[in-house]
Amino acid sequence: AQKITQTQPGMFVQEKEAVTLDCTYDTSDQSYGLFWYKQPSSGEMIFLIYQGSYDEQNATEGRYSLNFQKARKSANLVISASQLGDSAMYFCAMRDSTSGGYQKVTFGTGTKLQVIP
Amino acid sequence: KAGVTQTPRYLIKTRGQQVTLSCSPISGHRSVSWYQQTPGQGLQFLFEYFSETQRNKGNFPGRFSGRQFSNSRSEMNVSTLELGDSALYLCASSPGQSNTNEAFFGQGTRLTVV
Repeated sequence: AQKITQTQPGMFVQEKEAVTLDCTYDTSDQSYGLFWYKQPSSGEMIFLIYQGSYDEQNATEGRYSLNFQKARKSANLVISASQLGDSAMYFCAMRDSTSGGYQKVTFGTGTKLQVIP
Repeated sequence: KAGVTQTPRYLIKTRGQQVTLSCSPISGHRSVSWYQQTPGQGLQFLFEYFSETQRNKGNFPGRFSGRQFSNSRSEMNVSTLELGDSALYLCASSPGQSNTNEAFFGQGTRLTVV
């Protein structure tokens, strides 16, 4: 079963508008971490925001916020006031435990966001 | 505080050769993970090292190996290169092994096998 699902392969947003990138996850762990990364065409994976499974408040980092709905197992990324530099691939990821008790990070397939002037 | 450093940034190798990639984690971080990213397969987990021990391994052939040194720097080795090994190789650094630890990535090494 897919552990991280990003259903939007590509999205467009007008500059200065807000945009929500969807992410659902699947884990049986009680303790896990959810991450969003931005990957521009240069290839570097840039950390944006993190939400721990025990965090009751939604994480925020500047223009980024994570809409965490634990019961629905969703962790959507909201980017407010989009800028042209936000055009990139966005990956949702989860760190949880494998059946052997080790941890690993699993990535979704990504959403390509294009900001239109 | 310096970020995760991967060297080299770009590599071109021929089939059959071997290659070694290096990753220096953030100072104080003891966990290093490696990932392969290709257009067809996306991001796939290779392995994770913590305190010089391989803790977890993905579904890759034995040609892919790695190690971690006492200063937490890690190397990944691929022997007998195949065309399909062409990819962006990313390493991630974490303070420890808790699921709630954040993971920070380096800029990646882009390997091209010809």
